[in-house]
Amino acid sequence: DGGITQSPKYLFRKEGQNVTLSCEQNLNHDAMYWYRQDPGQGLRLIYYSQIVNDFQKGDIAEGYSVSREKKESFPLTVTSAQKNPTAFYLCASSRGQGKETQYFGPGTRLLVL
Amino acid sequence: AQSVTQLGSHVSVSEGALVLLRCNYSSSVPPYLFWYVQYPNQGLQLLLKYTTGATLVKGINGFEAEFKKSETSFHLTKPSAHMSDAAEYFCAVSDHRSGGGADGLTFGKGTHLIIQP
Repeated sequence: DGGITQSPKYLFRKEGQNVTLSCEQNLNHDAMYWYRQDPGQGLRLIYYSQIVNDFQKGDIAEGYSVSREKKESFPLTVTSAQKNPTAFYLCASSRGQGKETQYFGPGTRLLVL
Repeated sequence: AQSVTQLGSHVSVSEGALVLLRCNYSSSVPPYLFWYVQYPNQGLQLLLKYTTGATLVKGINGFEAEFKKSETSFHLTKPSAHMSDAAEYFCAVSDHRSGGGADGLTFGKGTHLIIQP
């Protein structure tokens, strides 16, 4: 079945630690996105990538980093510079931008110990 | 810059009653509009979208929405609510950009739909 997978489902981070969230898609989509969801805040764009080896900052990129070495993979690293990382992180992909539907993964919940 | 306002963080309706979730947007160019649904601890699922053409858009699970340019609105409706409709609903906007290369969606803050038995 085609779709988007995110792992792990739950992730715990210690103070000063970098952690990486995985996102993989087998939909052959060019564009991929990372969103952060906080209660009552909706979804906010962290980073997006329109094509392999290229990515752009979204609205809240500070404290995060990404890579896009393969079309199907778009991992997100939450660095120690992100002072409030506790949130639900959602990955999405689409064939292109604009009117194209974004398909979402099941999400990763990040908690700070 | 584009933005989305969803009126009412929580909406409660009785089972079998009309569902109306409000969404207003601002965009400097003709928008693409989306409604997504999210069940607890899950990702988002597309309900419907408006790109061009007919302004009344039908989606899954009996939902529909009407694009009204003069009111900058894209309200979501369903004639008869079902218990399984209880979830979080998000309105989102994307827009055309000259030269292509639009970025991610801009989301509203969401409306939690509660269905009373």
